[in-house]
Amino acid sequence: EAGVVQSPRYKIIEKKQPVAFWCNPISGHNTLYWYLQNLGQGPELLIRYENEEAVDDSQLPKDRFSAERLKGVDSTLKIQPAELGDSAVYLCASSTGGRNTEAFFGQGTRLTVV
Amino acid sequence: SQQGEEDPQALSIQEGENATMNCSYKTSINNLQWYRQNSGRGLVHLILIRSNEREKHSGRLRVTLDTSKKSSSLLITASRAADTASYFCATDAGYSTLTFGKGTMLLVSP
Repeated sequence: EAGVVQSPRYKIIEKKQPVAFWCNPISGHNTLYWYLQNLGQGPELLIRYENEEAVDDSQLPKDRFSAERLKGVDSTLKIQPAELGDSAVYLCASSTGGRNTEAFFGQGTRLTVV
Repeated sequence: SQQGEEDPQALSIQEGENATMNCSYKTSINNLQWYRQNSGRGLVHLILIRSNEREKHSGRLRVTLDTSKKSSSLLITASRAADTASYFCATDAGYSTLTFGKGTMLLVSP
């Protein structure tokens, strides 16, 4: 069974440019998360989806970040425009949802804004 | 924001030794989970302990949970070089959102 797939693995862009990350969760997983991880830090939640509904987006900087999960399967996270401080690893994870379930993480996308 | 706080931030041991990492958190939880992250990779789930459990084992891993002190510990016995990684605790307050700590970097030398 394939795990959580993210693309691209690496992305280098100039500041003020837009960028998008894609995530395909494990088949059958209703819950999808986007996390941001800065160097030397733990992951911080950006948004959580239950099927196609964003149920927790309180930490998403909505002025420049947006996300969608059409049809409740794969998801896209976008930044427009990117700033130097957005350089980080963006992790996608999925789970079956409900109580006491583990999350499965993708390899992440390492974004460098120059 | 990060709920958990791992201690120590970094730990260096020799192969065969035991490694103990601690995690403290702030709010009530439904469960606490430990994850491992190898350099440049995603996180891998190690073990989940529910709020009504006090101890759990999985292979060379032993996790304890003290909800009165809002703390947990992860013990890795007989460490191997392949255990070199960052270890994170994550708390679930019951809403299925995992809140991670800053992690402990473990280095196991041959």
